[in-house]
Amino acid sequence: SQKIEQNSEALNIQEGKTATLTCNYTNYSPAYLQWYRQDPGRGPVFLLLIRENEKEKRKERLKVTFDTTLKQSLFHITASQPADSATYLCALDPKGGGNKLTFGTGTQLKVEL
Amino acid sequence: NAGVTQTPKFRILKIGQSMTLQCAQDMNHNYMYWYRQDPGMGLKLIYYSVGAGITDKGEVPNGYNVSRSTTEDFPLRLELAAPSQTSVYFCASETTGDHPDEQFFGPGTRLTVL
Repeated sequence: SQKIEQNSEALNIQEGKTATLTCNYTNYSPAYLQWYRQDPGRGPVFLLLIRENEKEKRKERLKVTFDTTLKQSLFHITASQPADSATYLCALDPKGGGNKLTFGTGTQLKVEL
Repeated sequence: NAGVTQTPKFRILKIGQSMTLQCAQDMNHNYMYWYRQDPGMGLKLIYYSVGAGITDKGEVPNGYNVSRSTTEDFPLRLELAAPSQTSVYFCASETTGDHPDEQFFGPGTRLTVL
């Protein structure tokens, strides 16, 4: 069956360090993978999109990698700040599924002073 | 631009009651979606629409109905509410394209069915 897996345990890191979040998937062949940020009580906010033929994408302190052989995406936040504390969701499109996205359960990141 | 708006923010329903969750967007997006999010779970797609007059089922459509008479509005109807429909509901929109793009989400409606 199709699965998207993100670490269910919260990730706690110190301010200034690099946070790395993982998104693994099975039985999908996505053409695109997206990352969203969700704060408590709010809707998700889009961060980055990466295509299957792109290995890496960057936006300011954010970096996403997409390894279709390993079926994995890594999401990095460099020089992390307490304001980066949130839940991060990965989402991918099943090929042939139109524009519909399937979301992972998310990983909670806590950046401590 | 207000983006995607949802009303109400909170609602408590009794078992068997009905209600409509409202969603509107002012970005002229053709694609609109309804998701539900249960605690510790990912977003599950209920229904989606690729344009006015066109709707289709998502992963968890049972117990819900939608309509899309205009580009701007995409209401979600719950008939005969059940405790299993207690959840947070998010509406989202996306510009038309040949591939998935950024989805814009509303603030959500927290629904409790007792």
